[in-house]
Amino acid sequence: DTGVSQNPRHKITKRGQNVTFRCDPISEHNRLYWYRQTLGQGPEFLTYFQNEAQLEKSRLLSDRFSAERPKGSFSTLEIQRTEQGDSAMYLCASSLISYEQYFGPGTRLTVT
Amino acid sequence: EDQVTQSPEALRLQEGESSSLNCSYTVSGLRGLFWYRQDPGKGPEFLFTLYSAGEEKEKERLKATLTKKESFLHITAPKPEDSATYLCAVQAKGQAGTALIFGKGTTLSVSS
Repeated sequence: DTGVSQNPRHKITKRGQNVTFRCDPISEHNRLYWYRQTLGQGPEFLTYFQNEAQLEKSRLLSDRFSAERPKGSFSTLEIQRTEQGDSAMYLCASSLISYEQYFGPGTRLTVT
Repeated sequence: EDQVTQSPEALRLQEGESSSLNCSYTVSGLRGLFWYRQDPGKGPEFLFTLYSAGEEKEKERLKATLTKKESFLHITAPKPEDSATYLCAVQAKGQAGTALIFGKGTTLSVSS
């Protein structure tokens, strides 16, 4: 039973650069979520996919953020023109019909 | 506005000293309340889901309970390996399969 995997685990980038993260959900899960977590805070919802359809986006997801889930399998989250305020842990979670969401290890982004 | 408040922010216990963590929530209609454990630098690990007032769930030294306004995570005779941040989250009705709203967490330290 493989869990949710995320790559890379760490990313350091300069302000203004674009970055892309990948999430591979648990294989039979049709729902995939992206969250962002900063130090001392709980995760905050960014967006949600059911299969390949992006069904919900948080107001936190500015125009510089885009997420895709081609063919309803893995997902990518791209941040364009990164800003220092984008520094955070980006978490991916997946679920089946039940409500429990299972999280991956996260990608820690540092924008210098 | 749906929100979750956890207390205390930090808790230090001696090994074997039982205690409880609190999660107070305000939500338009509760679909489920979730407890997660998070170790430093890792993603949240699912522990429990509670759906209705009066429900209880147990796992090893942990027991979660739910009322109409709050949930408690009781830790009986904790061990140093129970040290972690414990996160509480709610999912509101009308948002099936979507956003979890998290509290900031309680950081538990258990010393031997």
